[in-house]
Amino acid sequence: GENVEQHPSTLSVQEGDSAVIKCTYSDSASNYFPWYKQELGKGPQLIIDIRSNVGEKKDQRIAVTLNKTAKHFSLHITETQPEDSAVYFCAATRGGNQFYFGTGTSLTVIP
Amino acid sequence: DAGVIQSPRHEVTEMGQEVTLRCKPISGHNSLFWYRQTMMRGLELLIYFNNNVPIDDSGMPEDRFSAKMPNASFSTLKIQPSEPRDSAVYFCASSPVGPIDTQYFGPGTRLTVL
Repeated sequence: GENVEQHPSTLSVQEGDSAVIKCTYSDSASNYFPWYKQELGKGPQLIIDIRSNVGEKKDQRIAVTLNKTAKHFSLHITETQPEDSAVYFCAATRGGNQFYFGTGTSLTVIP
Repeated sequence: DAGVIQSPRHEVTEMGQEVTLRCKPISGHNSLFWYRQTMMRGLELLIYFNNNVPIDDSGMPEDRFSAKMPNASFSTLKIQPSEPRDSAVYFCASSPVGPIDTQYFGPGTRLTVL
């Protein structure tokens, strides 16, 4: 099956700086890659996703890049704010609704 | 538009008791997923349903766990008998029609088995 690795496990940045979280996957047939943000005491919430026919997608301060050849994808958050502090999960799937999640990155934005 | 609804939000029970977690998916979604989240193992898929039919229950830890989806708007995850190692946050998620579609998570049920 698919194996998704996520790095780093923890990340601290100063407010206003950028944060980058990276994931690799093993199944070359995977073609959908969502990112979730989980705040304390809440369920994971989708923040951005990318499909395999696109190399990059941006939504305001958040962007995701995908390198299918290298089988890795990354989440980029620019101009970080304290409210960006949360745990972020990547996932990969080849379809059939079976998502494979990374182990999560705990992001702390220091005011 | 209401999201995925889970109840109860918190459950504290004693070892050996039966526990039933409930989920109402987003209206119109045809896939439903049960996950368990712990610090040690992260997010684990327990079972998922497509059009109310269980498709893959290979993640269900053992026979003490069972899940049902009697109709498109309701699902239950039951643990009988419960054990302390079942303590975790249980999430329900749903996904709309489509071969590859986003999963939308509920707020979770935090289960503590004493």
